Amino acid sequence: AQTVTQSQPEMSVQEAETVTLSCTYDTSENNYYLFWYKQPPSRQMILVIRQEAYKQQNATENRFSVNFQKAAKSFSLKISDSQLGDTAMYFCAFIPNTQGGSEKLVFGKGTKLTVNP
Amino acid sequence: ETGVTQTPRHLVMGMTNKKSLKCEQHLGHNAMYWYKQSAKKPLELMFVYNFKEQTENNSVPSRFSPECPNSSHLFLHLHTLQPEDSALYLCASSHGSGSWVETQYFGPGTRLLVL
Repeated sequence: AQTVTQSQPEMSVQEAETVTLSCTYDTSENNYYLFWYKQPPSRQMILVIRQEAYKQQNATENRFSVNFQKAAKSFSLKISDSQLGDTAMYFCAFIPNTQGGSEKLVFGKGTKLTVNP
Repeated sequence: ETGVTQTPRHLVMGMTNKKSLKCEQHLGHNAMYWYKQSAKKPLELMFVYNFKEQTENNSVPSRFSPECPNSSHLFLHLHTLQPEDSALYLCASSHGSGSWVETQYFGPGTRLLVL
């Protein structure tokens, strides 16, 4: 079975500091895609960053970057210069099927991140 | 805003009621999804529609009935629900082109409470 594990149910960080959220996954596939989604208290889930497994270079989006370790099946999210608006639930997600079209996202349970002033 | 809207945002219903959740996407997408988000559990995919055809039913009980009249609208009809069905129901959409792995865009969700 395809699974995604987020081992940190809750984390906190001081404003302007850096925090890393952990994610591991289990799959026998060689080609797949990984995502980090953010769900603020308003509850609209939004995409933070995505990574294609065939790419060795880690994806970056402004203050957000990932550390993708394919052999270890690890996909951590680093948030630099944390801002109060980063407070949210963060979900790691995985698509085991490389076919296009409708995709069966597999989600982790989430990490609740609180950025403190 | 992600271009996906859901109504109502909150719903309280008794176990004998019939209600419907509505999702609308303004992104020109062709694939739409229903997810269930319960406390302390991962998001669970319920249904997938691609070009108005249901392509996935993830062993969802028949008291949940989806409807996709066109590529922009998705409904979830609810009847004789159980208290354990109380959850946040999220709708999502993606391009649905069939040629690459796509990002899904989520609506704000409907918070459902079954009494």
